[in-house]
Amino acid sequence: EIVMTQSPATLSVSPGERVTLSCRASQSVSSKLAWYRQKPGQAPRLLIYGASTRATGIPARFSGSGSETEFTLTISSLQPEDFGVYYCQQYNIWLTFGGGTKVEIK
Amino acid sequence: QVQLVESGGGLVKPGGSLRLSCAASGFIFSDYYVSWVRQAPGKGLEWVSYISDTSTRTNYADSVRGRFTISRDNAQNSLYLQMNSLRADDTAVYYCARVAAPLGFNDYWGQGILVTVSS
Repeated sequence: EIVMTQSPATLSVSPGERVTLSCRASQSVSSKLAWYRQKPGQAPRLLIYGASTRATGIPARFSGSGSETEFTLTISSLQPEDFGVYYCQQYNIWLTFGGGTKVEIK
Repeated sequence: QVQLVESGGGLVKPGGSLRLSCAASGFIFSDYYVSWVRQAPGKGLEWVSYISDTSTRTNYADSVRGRFTISRDNAQNSLYLQMNSLRADDTAVYYCARVAAPLGFNDYWGQGILVTVSS
């Protein structure tokens, strides 16, 4: 099983700040990496797939990068609606999620 | 618009059974793989199972293999998860989610349904 490790576990951020989240795979997943955001009491929402392609309706402040085992999600200027838990998911060999990074208000 | 609506959750005793349903609308259901993903209280996401568009391929997480069975009815635009021999650690919110491509990421999710396994 491919293990996905996200860091940090929690990030305290002020609105308007730049945010960088990391996701590491235990073996190569090529570019088959997706990012989701989940707000309390809601289902996850797809943000990025193919490591760097924004999903429909996702604003340009979200960008994804990386390949093989190291991936990054960047939010250029954090908006109030961006707070929540972010998960990465690999879909190269079966499907596994990372443990999540909670982005909270500073 | 794409909608996925889960039903059938609730409280069940350890060792019991439950069948979840997911009603799909807003897209051609028979064209897509679909999956179940769960989330234990306060925990992260765990993929549970997927089924191919024509039901010819299924797969399960090791934690549920042999106890859970995924199925679909394309005529009814519905996905199912039969859960047997339930354990306390199966307690979770269960999400139905569309798979964007065979064995791919999940582009649309239902709102989730809570399953509680407790005596």
